Amino acid sequence: DAGVIQSPRHEVTEMGQEVTLRCKPISGHDYLFWYRQTMMRGLELLIYFNNNVPIDDSGMPEDRFSAKMPNASFSTLKIQPSEPRDSAVYFCASSSGDTQYFGPGTRLTVL
Amino acid sequence: AQSVTQPDIHITVSEGASLELRCNYSYGATPYLFWYVQSPGQGLQLLLKYFSGDTLVQGIKGFEAEFKRSQSSFNLRKPSVHWSDAAEYFCAVVPNTGNQFYFGTGTSLTVIP
Repeated sequence: DAGVIQSPRHEVTEMGQEVTLRCKPISGHDYLFWYRQTMMRGLELLIYFNNNVPIDDSGMPEDRFSAKMPNASFSTLKIQPSEPRDSAVYFCASSSGDTQYFGPGTRLTVL
Repeated sequence: AQSVTQPDIHITVSEGASLELRCNYSYGATPYLFWYVQSPGQGLQLLLKYFSGDTLVQGIKGFEAEFKRSQSSFNLRKPSVHWSDAAEYFCAVVPNTGNQFYFGTGTSLTVIP
């Protein structure tokens, strides 16, 4: 298996623009997690899905952030409008129940 | 409150020396326990995990960890560190009643020649 795939690996955008991050989980995994990592706050769970259904989105910082999982093999995290404080590395992880496997991350820079 | 603590923010060791990274948790029952490693610019890679059974677990890259219920600890060890082990190490806990991971703040390891 190719592991968790994330795209793009790097994204640079200007404040106010819409940003969409993409994730393809490992085939057969029924849990998908989105994390954000910054120096100040460490690794934060934003939202997670089970069988494509959002279970806990309490970590989503504000309404500018939204996540979808239209099918078992694809999820998106959208930020609209983006702000400089959203600059971070965003990780996607998938799991079949007990162990999470992480993607390589998307490094987002908002100017 | 439930928490995962990695008391050491940064550790420096000489190549060839032994290593121990500390992890403590506070949960009502024994959770599932994990150690992940993150190399610069990379995602998190699973080193090892403990669910039940033998309290000493072996992982990849020569790492091991020991679960001590009395101390609520799950410390990571390696007998001889290699320069390539320089990375950030995260302890994680999953309460055995749920699916959500709780990560520690990480320990940054520097290896000097």
